[in-house]
Amino acid sequence: DAGVIQSPRHEVTEMGQEVTLRCKPISGHDYLFWYRQTMMRGLELLIYFNNNVPIDDSGMPEDRFSAKMPNASFSTLKIQPSEPRDSAVYFCASSSGQGTYGYTFGSGTRLTVV
Amino acid sequence: GEDVEQSLFLSVREGDSSVINCTYTDSSSTYLYWYKQEPGAGLQLLTYIFSNMDMKQDQRLTVLLNKKDKHLSLRIADTQTGDSAIYFCAEILGNQFYFGTGTSLTVIP
Repeated sequence: DAGVIQSPRHEVTEMGQEVTLRCKPISGHDYLFWYRQTMMRGLELLIYFNNNVPIDDSGMPEDRFSAKMPNASFSTLKIQPSEPRDSAVYFCASSSGQGTYGYTFGSGTRLTVV
Repeated sequence: GEDVEQSLFLSVREGDSSVINCTYTDSSSTYLYWYKQEPGAGLQLLTYIFSNMDMKQDQRLTVLLNKKDKHLSLRIADTQTGDSAIYFCAEILGNQFYFGTGTSLTVIP
């Protein structure tokens, strides 16, 4: 298995632009998670899905953030409009069942908003 | 979320043992985990321990769990330069992980 695949690996964008981050979970995993990592706040859970349905989006910082999972093999995290304080590494992770045996993380997308 | 605390930095000499400590808050956690993050990479699951165990050993890794004190530790024997990374402990509550702040381990040759 190729693991959790995220794209792009790096994204540099100007403030006010729309940014879309993509994730392909491991085939057969029914949970998908989006995390944000910064030096100041560490790892923050933004949102997670079970069987393509958003279960908890309480970590999404603002209405500028939205996430979708149109099918079992694809999810997007969109920021519109982007701001410099959104600069971070965004990770997608997936798990089978409730994650008892751990999540599998993607390599992350490093987002820089200038 | 839950407070999972770790010290931020640890430096050891190559060949020595490393001990990374973690305290967690919820005694109902059924599993506790250690993840490793190398520069520019995602988190990689290293090992996990079931809450009814006191110790788990896996090659150079030893996990110790003190449920009474809600204390988890990871010992790396014969630490190598390739072990330099950030190590996160995590507890699972329901189906959500709560990660610690991470401990940056530097191995000095």
